[in-house]
Amino acid sequence: AQSVTQPDIHITVSEGASLELRCNYSYGATPYLFWYVQSPGQGLQLLLKYFSGDTLVQGIKGFEAEFKRSQSSFNLRKPSVHWSDAAEYFCAVGALEANNLFFGTGTRLTVIP
Amino acid sequence: GAVVSQHPSRVICKSGTSVKIECRSLDFQATTMFWYRQFPKQSLMLMATSNEGSKATYEQGVEKDKFLINHASLTLSTLTVTSAHPEDSSFYICSANRDSHTDTQYFGPGTRLTVL
Repeated sequence: AQSVTQPDIHITVSEGASLELRCNYSYGATPYLFWYVQSPGQGLQLLLKYFSGDTLVQGIKGFEAEFKRSQSSFNLRKPSVHWSDAAEYFCAVGALEANNLFFGTGTRLTVIP
Repeated sequence: GAVVSQHPSRVICKSGTSVKIECRSLDFQATTMFWYRQFPKQSLMLMATSNEGSKATYEQGVEKDKFLINHASLTLSTLTVTSAHPEDSSFYICSANRDSHTDTQYFGPGTRLTVL
């Protein structure tokens, strides 16, 4: 069965500190992996996606994620967090041959000065 | 590009009434649109997939007679919650695939429905 696990419900980091948000997935087919960010009152915005090729993908706003097949993980990282990064982050998995996206439960990021 | 809008952003209605939510792709053609429901502090749950000009495909457990979906054009899909009840209160989000790039979904800002 397909599933996405984001083990951290809430993370608090200081502005300027590094960030890593965890995502583990279970998917029967070749996975396509996504990270979305949702700010209060806003829709989901695509940060980055992995389909194939280089396992380290770069996204918008200085985010990157690394696909590790052996660990079934797709963790999101940012070297230096800005206050504007405070939001809810969702990891999702899908496949080209199936339109469904399966989302994790999200990680809320709080950034303190 | 790839902007998706939803209207209204927030709606409050009385129990027993019907509510229509619109989802539009503003700058691209969307052959496929998706409707999700998000409960507080929970993930998005896919409700249905709609293709332009054909009937929507509903996920297991979603009542198709309660959640009517119409995808009348390449830029518009509507979700109508019929005979709404308080348990239908939720955040409804639509997304769309671009016609020539079906690998990524672009999301609307969501509609907060409150049924009194």
